[in-house]
Amino acid sequence: EDQVTQSPEALRLQEGESSSLNCSYTVSGLRGLFWYRQDPGKGPEFLFTLYSAGEEKEKERLKATLTKKESFLHITAPKPEDSATYLCAVGRGSTLGRLYFGRGTQLTVWP
Amino acid sequence: NAGVMQNPRHLVRRRGQEARLRCSPMKGHSHVYWYRQLPEEGLKFMVYLQKENIIDESGMPKERFSAEFPKEGPSILRIQQVVRGDSAAYFCASSLRTDDTEAFFGQGTRLTVV
Repeated sequence: EDQVTQSPEALRLQEGESSSLNCSYTVSGLRGLFWYRQDPGKGPEFLFTLYSAGEEKEKERLKATLTKKESFLHITAPKPEDSATYLCAVGRGSTLGRLYFGRGTQLTVWP
Repeated sequence: NAGVMQNPRHLVRRRGQEARLRCSPMKGHSHVYWYRQLPEEGLKFMVYLQKENIIDESGMPKERFSAEFPKEGPSILRIQQVVRGDSAAYFCASSLRTDDTEAFFGQGTRLTVV
């Protein structure tokens, strides 16, 4: 059965304290791995898509990497505004829009 | 360019009533996906639609739930005879193509069944 597992479930960081979030997956026919950010009461906001092992993408303080079995979202020198739930999802087959989501990592960055 | 629009944002229904959730995709997008987010759970795929066609409804409960995306107007997710277990956030996403690199999500409709 296809599975996407994110860890840790919750993470508290002091402002400036870098860390990484993990997303491990067991999906056949992976077409893409997606990272989203979700703020309370809002819809998921797209961050990155990774397609193949070894690929890396960056956006401001965030950097996503992908291996054959997992992806990491590295947060460098986080700020309080980075506090959110970060969701990992995988797409497979011919329909990338059908995504399999993990439960997310709730990140809190305190000043 | 307006994003994916969902309405209402909040919906309260009594057990046994019908709930209708609407989703207008981004301009030019013809692929719509509905997801459900139960408390303390991840987003779960429900259904994938193109204009006038249901492409994949493998995530839809067998009974009481239906979806449509007519030629004109928004996509509708209908839940008949709602039960308390239907209380959740329902999200709609749209994409330009089926192999698009990202799907854009709306703000969701939070359904509460009392």
